Amino acid sequence: KAGVTQTPRYLIKTRGQQVTLSCSPISGHRSVSWYQQTPGQGLQFLFEYFSETQRNKGNFPGRFSGRQFSNSRSEMNVSTLELGDSALYLCASSQDSFNNEQFFGPGTRLTVL
Amino acid sequence: DQQVKQNSPSLSVQEGRISILNCDYTNSMFDYFLWYKKYPAEGPTFLISISSIKDKNEDGRFTVFLNKSAKHLSLHIVPSQPGDSAVYFCAASAGGNEKLTFGTGTRLTIIP
Repeated sequence: KAGVTQTPRYLIKTRGQQVTLSCSPISGHRSVSWYQQTPGQGLQFLFEYFSETQRNKGNFPGRFSGRQFSNSRSEMNVSTLELGDSALYLCASSQDSFNNEQFFGPGTRLTVL
Repeated sequence: DQQVKQNSPSLSVQEGRISILNCDYTNSMFDYFLWYKKYPAEGPTFLISISSIKDKNEDGRFTVFLNKSAKHLSLHIVPSQPGDSAVYFCAASAGGNEKLTFGTGTRLTIIP
């Protein structure tokens, strides 16, 4: 079974731009979660989508948004990029709830200049 | 407000000895706990979990202990091997469809 894939793997943007990251979950998984990892902050939960609906949301500003398609693939969008948005963005999928094991993708490294 | 804390950013252990990684939490609603391991340039991978109805769970060289009264959990790795060198994250949830809250991670280095 193919694992969680994320594209692109690396991205460089400038302040004020917007960016879209993509995540393809493991086949059959309906829950997709997004996390931001920065040094010293661990993994900060952004949001979770299940069956095309946002089911959980973390404490990030509205510049961070996402969506999920009918095939469970998910996208995350960050508008009006700030220097502090530079981070590793991780996507994880699970069968249905968080109590199922989450499988992580390799992440997208975003650098904002 | 960091609800899950890993107070040791790094830990070095001799190969063959026991590695003990610690995690504290503040939210008494948490009832499911997990440990993830992360190598550089890879996403975290699930290691072991424990629910609040148990105080110990073993899987091979890995054992997780949960002390609910102290709101503390620990991961024991015995014996430690060089391939165990990685960053370890503990995570907790209030169950069901509640989100996972992660700690800041502990970098474990196994010295050959």
